[in-house]
Amino acid sequence: DAKTTQPPSMDCAEGRAANLPCNHSTISGNEYVYWYRQIHSQGPQYIIHGLKNNETNEMASLIITEDRKSSTLILPHATLRDTAVYYCIVRVNNAGNMLTFGGGTRLMVKP
Amino acid sequence: NAGVTQTPKFRVLKTGQSMTLLCAQDMNHEYMYWYRQDPGMGLRLIHYSVGEGTTAKGEVPDGYNVSRLKKQNFLLGLESAAPSQTSVYFCASEGGLNTEAFFGQGTRLTVV
Repeated sequence: DAKTTQPPSMDCAEGRAANLPCNHSTISGNEYVYWYRQIHSQGPQYIIHGLKNNETNEMASLIITEDRKSSTLILPHATLRDTAVYYCIVRVNNAGNMLTFGGGTRLMVKP
Repeated sequence: NAGVTQTPKFRVLKTGQSMTLLCAQDMNHEYMYWYRQDPGMGLRLIHYSVGEGTTAKGEVPDGYNVSRLKKQNFLLGLESAAPSQTSVYFCASEGGLNTEAFFGQGTRLTVV
């Protein structure tokens, strides 16, 4: 699986959009981009994933560049409860191809 | 629908003791995983299973064994616990390709 690079930490003001970048310059054509987050010491929580088109759900939006070498997770109106570590993962959706977690970005939402 | 349930939630072991961590899912998922997370670190894969009766090694399998005798359960065993195995253990399950994984709430294990 391709390696990802994320900033170790970011701050965001409550109510503003949080834009979390991820670089995956060695991504291959059949690898998906997944985002998970981990709040405090809880189990990771799925947010969103995509292949090449932008995706949106009730939690967030995922913007993937045309060359697929980077992506941005957008939390449109961050709340204090969005404070967490956010993991960007690239992965081929084959049987047994597990999620590989890196260091992630620690997002701090401030009042 | 309970999702993914891990048992126990906390445990303290003495060096050399053995124990089994149980992961149960009620979503009829094929794929199940065991991860460990050390303080300030990301999750690392220990073992995984792509279906009932199958298991495979992950990134850090040494010192652990697993079994998947029933589709809904994935057991992680420590035969002779060591202080280096002090960690938080997370189980996850996935229904199939191109789907989301569901994680349990973790088991906090301390080996003294």
